Amino acid sequence: DVKVTQSSRYLVKRTGEKVFLECVQDMDHENMFWYRQDPGLGLRLIYFSYDVKMKEKGDIPEGYSVSREKKERFSLILESASTNQTSMYLCASSLGGGAGTGELFFGEGSRLTVL
Amino acid sequence: GEDVEQSLFLSVREGDSSVINCTYTDSSSTYLYWYKQEPGAGLQLLTYIFSNMDMKQDQRLTVLLNKKDKHLSLRIADTQTGDSAIYFCAEAAGGSNYKLTFGKGTLLTVNP
Repeated sequence: DVKVTQSSRYLVKRTGEKVFLECVQDMDHENMFWYRQDPGLGLRLIYFSYDVKMKEKGDIPEGYSVSREKKERFSLILESASTNQTSMYLCASSLGGGAGTGELFFGEGSRLTVL
Repeated sequence: GEDVEQSLFLSVREGDSSVINCTYTDSSSTYLYWYKQEPGAGLQLLTYIFSNMDMKQDQRLTVLLNKKDKHLSLRIADTQTGDSAIYFCAEAAGGSNYKLTFGKGTLLTVNP
């Protein structure tokens, strides 16, 4: 069964802490994405990566960075967490090279609370 | 830039049909999608339609695409309580099929 696994379902951090959100996919997908989901705002793209060590900014990259050292793993980093980064974070992956229908496979989400 | 709009709430009675509507702005979209999100879970693809089609049927689901008006709809026949969820419309932006733009989601509530 294809799977996108996010390492933590729930996290509570303090303002100013460094936060790592990890995501692993087992489908050999080239593309990986980080979204945040907020009530009334839907899904907003933070960063995406279409290859190892490649990354591109999405619509709301400020305050975030990413790392993709291996094809199956895409990490989202909050260098100094702030309360306005309290949100649900969703990782997704898809086939690359324009193949397929562009279907995104999502993880279960990581709910981050910053106090 | 690309924009996808959908109403935020829909409430129906069990057994009725549900219709969720969506409008999008990118005329070069190749694929349009409907995703479902159940409480506490990630999103799952329900169905998709290629831009050169105007209708797709899959069991209880019917997708209608009006490319001229940039309007997409999802009809769920015989709606069940298990269909209660958030439904997201999405388009593949700029003709690329790997960067999706999502609407804000429609919360469907099915009343017994």
